[in-house]
Amino acid sequence: DAGVTQSPTHLIKTRGQHVTLRCSPISGHKSVSWYQQVLGQGPQFIFQYYEKEERGRGNFPDRFSARQFPNYSSELNVNALLLGDSALYLCASSPRTSGGLSGANVLTFGAGSRLTVL
Amino acid sequence: KNEVEQSPQNLTAQEGEFITINCSYSVGISALHWLQQHPGGGIVSLFMLSSGKKKHGRLIATINIQEKHSSLHITASHPRDSAVYICAVTPSQGNLIFGKGTKLSVKP
Repeated sequence: DAGVTQSPTHLIKTRGQHVTLRCSPISGHKSVSWYQQVLGQGPQFIFQYYEKEERGRGNFPDRFSARQFPNYSSELNVNALLLGDSALYLCASSPRTSGGLSGANVLTFGAGSRLTVL
Repeated sequence: KNEVEQSPQNLTAQEGEFITINCSYSVGISALHWLQQHPGGGIVSLFMLSSGKKKHGRLIATINIQEKHSSLHITASHPRDSAVYICAVTPSQGNLIFGKGTKLSVKP
């Protein structure tokens, strides 16, 4: 069974551009969450989706948006890119969530999409 | 002050040494995770625990809920253990909060 897959693995954009990152969860996993990891720091939570609905949102501007599709794959979109958006974007899937929030589920992470904004 | 603090930030050990990485947190949690991140970015979940102690091979994770503290131990360390180890907590309310990670380098 394939793990969590993310695409693209690396990409370079310029300031002001838009980017779409994609994530396919493990088969059977209905919850997908997105994280931003700036170099030298721990990941920061961006979004969580469960059953195609947003279940959590971190402290990120409205330039960041996401959605989950009927097959539970997900996209993260970032508009009007800034230099500070350069980071590793990680996707994780889990079988479920509890109480509408990230419950105590084991997460499986993808390898990440490394975004460089010039 | 970060809600999840790890120590040390960097750790260099000789092969075979016993290693301890510490994590303290300041929020109520439903679970604590220990993650391993290798160069290039991939993250592997090592442990998820809410009480007591778990062991997997040479890795041991403990948690003291009253003291809001967890430790990750590596016995008989090996160069392939070199990685960044990240502590993350699932708060009682809200989503995962990560520590900044501990960079471990094990020398042969």
